[in-house]
Amino acid sequence: QKEVEQDPGPLSVPEGAIVSLNCTYSNSAFQYFMWYRQYSRKGPELLMYTYSSGNKEDGRFTAQVDKSSKYISLFIRDSQPSDSATYLCAMTVNQGGKLIFGQGTELSVKP
Amino acid sequence: GAVVSQHPSRVICKSGTSVKIECRSLDFQATTMFWYRQFPKQSLMLMATSNEGSKATYEQGVEKDKFLINHASLTLSTLTVTSAHPEDSSFYICSARDPTFASTEAFFGQGTRLTVV
Repeated sequence: QKEVEQDPGPLSVPEGAIVSLNCTYSNSAFQYFMWYRQYSRKGPELLMYTYSSGNKEDGRFTAQVDKSSKYISLFIRDSQPSDSATYLCAMTVNQGGKLIFGQGTELSVKP
Repeated sequence: GAVVSQHPSRVICKSGTSVKIECRSLDFQATTMFWYRQFPKQSLMLMATSNEGSKATYEQGVEKDKFLINHASLTLSTLTVTSAHPEDSSFYICSARDPTFASTEAFFGQGTRLTVV
């Protein structure tokens, strides 16, 4: 079993839709959770960073962490074609620790 | 955010030759840099952790003699793929952490697409 599981998609939605991306994990020691966006042939860029459980909102993006269920989510409101990319979840046990990535979900937002 | 520059972005080399990839932190000093490998439609797999002034720490299954890592300064780490073969063709990405940030945020380079022919 992989430490972090993420549905690879692809996921296709119409412009304006609410997108829900999810990851599950098996290591209960993970404390720091991140979502990265990766455009084709580019390096990942950090979108959201969350410590422990709870919600965090930044513009159209909301990250949720449920440590009891070992489940994290990223919601994108009013999705735009420019949001089309691969979204990777990542997590680590402690600051400075090794990041463990999910497989990435390929998202396509159609105009 | 901090900037990490990776060069080259794309390289094609002949089988048996060596290729060097550079990773630079442009506006901060990175005591630790990371090297990842990514196959199409797959996740980033950590290859090694590069520490300035000391030997790199390689992940299980990564050949240290094939993937040479040097972190000679606080702003530069290099990955050399020695005696490259077609199976080494992949997307290589580096990342660095700014130690002045309290978070675990890692800044990634643009990636290098290596094709061995």
